[in-house]
Amino acid sequence: DIQMTQSPSTLSASVGDRVTITCRASQSFTNWLAWYQQKPGKAPKLLIYKASSLESGVPSRFSGSGSETEFTLTITSLQPDDVGTYYCQQYDSYPRTFGQGTKVEIK
Amino acid sequence: EVQLVESGGGLVKPGGSLRLSCAASGFSFSTYSMNWVRQAPGKGLEWVSYISSSSSYIYYADSVKGRFTISRDNAKNSLYLQMNSLRAEDTAVYYCVREVSPPYCSSTSCYIDYWGQGTLVTVSS
Repeated sequence: DIQMTQSPSTLSASVGDRVTITCRASQSFTNWLAWYQQKPGKAPKLLIYKASSLESGVPSRFSGSGSETEFTLTITSLQPDDVGTYYCQQYDSYPRTFGQGTKVEIK
Repeated sequence: EVQLVESGGGLVKPGGSLRLSCAASGFSFSTYSMNWVRQAPGKGLEWVSYISSSSSYIYYADSVKGRFTISRDNAKNSLYLQMNSLRAEDTAVYYCVREVSPPYCSSTSCYIDYWGQGTLVTVSS
């Protein structure tokens, strides 16, 4: 199984800050990686697929990069609406696995 | 508009059974692979099971293999999860989720693009 490890677990930043979340995989795989945002009490929402492709309708301040075992999600200018928990997920093989999540807060 | 509406959750005793349903609308259900993903209270996301569009391929997480059965009825635009021998650690919100289809992904590696609102399953005596 591919284990996904996110860091940090919690992140507190100011509005307008650049924020980066890292997702590391226990083994290398093609760029079949997605990022999801989950707001409290809601279902997750797709932000990024294939490591760096922005889902339609998602603000351009979100971007993804990386390959093999290290991937990043960047928010170029943090907004109040970005508060929530972010998950990476590999869809290269079964079982599909998620990172443990990164909670983003406004300072 | 794509809609996935789960039902069937509730309180069940350890060792009991429950059947979850997911009613799909707004897309051609029979051409999409589907999954169940769960989230224990205050915890992260855990993939549970996958079923291909024609039910030819089915996969399970080790944590539920032998106890849960995924199925679908394309004529009724519905996805199901039969859960037997339930344990306290199965307590979670269960989400019905859709995968995109080729050519927007590879034949074996497709990402989740839509999630239902979830249904809560509580296993407790």
